[in-house]
Amino acid sequence: AQSVTQLGSHVSVSEGALVLLRCNYSSSVPPYLFWYVQYPNQGLQLLLKYTTGATLVKGINGFEAEFKKSETSFHLTKPSAHMSDAAEYFCAVSWGLGGSNYKLTFGKGTLLTVNP
Amino acid sequence: DAGITQSPRHKVTETGTPVTLRCHQTENHRYMYWYRQDPGHGLRLIHYSYGVKDTDKGEVSDGYSVSRSKTEDFLLTLESATSSQTSVYFCAISESLLRDSPYGYTFGSGTRLTVV
Repeated sequence: AQSVTQLGSHVSVSEGALVLLRCNYSSSVPPYLFWYVQYPNQGLQLLLKYTTGATLVKGINGFEAEFKKSETSFHLTKPSAHMSDAAEYFCAVSWGLGGSNYKLTFGKGTLLTVNP
Repeated sequence: DAGITQSPRHKVTETGTPVTLRCHQTENHRYMYWYRQDPGHGLRLIHYSYGVKDTDKGEVSDGYSVSRSKTEDFLLTLESATSSQTSVYFCAISESLLRDSPYGYTFGSGTRLTVV
C-alpha cells in the first residue's frame, strides 16, 4: 500500500538552530512530493514541491527539501529557525502516471515549536 | 487565498440535522477536493471532483455526499450530522499535478464544524 509517514508529531528547536522535519513514503511508482505549512487557524500553504528534475528543492521562507529515491525520503530543512517558523508542517504525496492521479495523500503532520 | 472561499467559516449544528458546506473558486480550476482535519490524523480526503458532475469518493466518505453543478462551486453535505463529524473541513483546488506542471493545491481557510 502507498503511504506517507512523518516521523515525530512534535519537534522543538531553539531559535537559530537547524530545523529537520522528516518525511518518508512508500510507493512502487515515482511520486510527486510536497511540503505544506499551516499557521494557527489558517489553511495550508505550499512551501515547496518536487515533481521532476533537481532533487534538491528550494521553497519559501528559507526552507528546502531533498528527494532521495534510495531512501524514499523527502526531509524538510532550514539552517536557522526563526520564531515565525512555529507552525504545523505536512508532507504530502501524489502518485500516478501521465497525470491520471490528482489526489494528495497527507502525512499526519509535525508541529514545530521554536524556543527563544 | 483570494481564489477560493469557504462558507460558513464556523458552524454549530445539532446531531441528526443536515449540513451543507460550500466551496467557491474563481480560478477556473478543474479539480476540487474536500478534506477533514483532525488532531493526530492530518488531512483525510472525503470526496473530490475532476469536473462538473464528476465526483469520486476519498478515504473517509461515509456520511458525506458532494455535488458540483458548475465549475466554481463544490458542495459538501452531511446528510445527518453526527458528533464524529465535528472537525475542520478544508476545500482545495488544483489545475494539474502533471510532472511538468508548476501547480499544487490551493487551500481555502477552512470551516470549523461542531456537532452537538
